[in-house]
Amino acid sequence: KAGVTQTPRYLIKTRGQQVTLSCSPISGHRSVSWYQQTPGQGLQFLFEYFSETQRNKGNFPGRFSGRQFSNSRSEMNVSTLELGDSALYLCASSLILQGVPYEQYFGPGTRLTVT
Amino acid sequence: SQKIEQNSEALNIQEGKTATLTCNYTNYSPAYLQWYRQDPGRGPVFLLLIRENEKEKRKERLKVTFDTTLKQSLFHITASQPADSATYLCALLNRDDKIIFGKGTRLHILP
Repeated sequence: KAGVTQTPRYLIKTRGQQVTLSCSPISGHRSVSWYQQTPGQGLQFLFEYFSETQRNKGNFPGRFSGRQFSNSRSEMNVSTLELGDSALYLCASSLILQGVPYEQYFGPGTRLTVT
Repeated sequence: SQKIEQNSEALNIQEGKTATLTCNYTNYSPAYLQWYRQDPGRGPVFLLLIRENEKEKRKERLKVTFDTTLKQSLFHITASQPADSATYLCALLNRDDKIIFGKGTRLHILP
């Protein structure tokens, strides 16, 4: 079974630009979560999508948004990029059992650098 | 305030010994706790999950305990090997269905 894939793997953008990251989950997984990872803050939850609906959201500004398509693939968008958005963005897919996500399968991440 | 804490200092363990990592949480009521391993430049890899009504879980050389009274989980690697060197993350599922991660502990197994 193919793992979670993320594209692109690396991205360099300048302040003020916007960026779109893509994630393809494991086949059969309908839950996709996004995380931001930085050395200082660790892994921070951005949002979770299930069946094309945002199920949960972390404490990030509205510049961070996402969506999920009918094939469970997901995208996240960051608008008006700031230097502090430089991070590793990780996507994870999981099964939902009894209404909750269980073990998460992570992709390799997209390394975003904002200059 | 809500916190999930792991030892921020790196842990150095001699090969063959048992490595024990700690995860403490405050003001959460987790339905379960998970442990992940992360290698540099890679996404975390799931290792073990333990539910709130379970005291202990084992998988090969790995053992996890969960004490809801102490609000603590311990993660043990027995007969440690240099290949076990990595960052280990704990994560809990809160009652609002959000998965919250600790910042991780770097483990070095010394040959």
